[in-house]
Amino acid sequence: NAGVTQTPKFQVLKTGQSMTLQCAQDMNHEYMSWYRQDPGMGLRLIHYSVGAGITDQGEVPNGYNVSRSTTEDFPLRLLSAAPSQTSVYFCASSRSVYSNQPQHFGDGTRLSIL
Amino acid sequence: GQNIDQPTEMTATEGAIVQINCTYQTSGFNGLFWYQQHAGEAPTFLSYNVLDGLEEKGRFSSFLSRSKGYSYLLLKELQMKDSASYLCAVRLISGGNTPLVFGKGTRLSVIA
Repeated sequence: NAGVTQTPKFQVLKTGQSMTLQCAQDMNHEYMSWYRQDPGMGLRLIHYSVGAGITDQGEVPNGYNVSRSTTEDFPLRLLSAAPSQTSVYFCASSRSVYSNQPQHFGDGTRLSIL
Repeated sequence: GQNIDQPTEMTATEGAIVQINCTYQTSGFNGLFWYQQHAGEAPTFLSYNVLDGLEEKGRFSSFLSRSKGYSYLLLKELQMKDSASYLCAVRLISGGNTPLVFGKGTRLSVIA
């Protein structure tokens, strides 16, 4: 069972570069989300989607774009990387956002911006 | 705004019982989750409470009081492998822009 798959696991970028973090789930989950986790800050929601074609902003959306063209995939794009975006990024999915279904997390992408 | 508070760090002895508290002040409430996160790994689901009372799952129990905006996670018969961060998360009633809000987590160290 693959669950939630994130690629890459590690990435180093230079300031100003752009890149896409990939996230795919094979559980036919409606709800997908992206978090960043920084020391002392906990998990903060960047963007989320309640279904294909529907996305919305979380707490810290600036500098990031998302799209949800299929149920399975929810890529996160960094438009112009900044050192403040150095973080661990987690993608998560759940059957529905309005239920008791827990979120399943991917293994994370560790991103460093130089 | 949404506010979820947890102690930053706790230390407990192997074989003992530890209680990790979580208080929340949020605009709406539709359930509270507890997750466990080992260092360098992804969070994994432990428990869910939406009604007041205690939910028990083996060595782990979680309690909720909605009127007090309070929850705790109780870990019994502590083992070294329980050393991890424990995250409290509140699901809001309406989506808004933050359907699930996480606390900053409590780092638990289990010592021999």
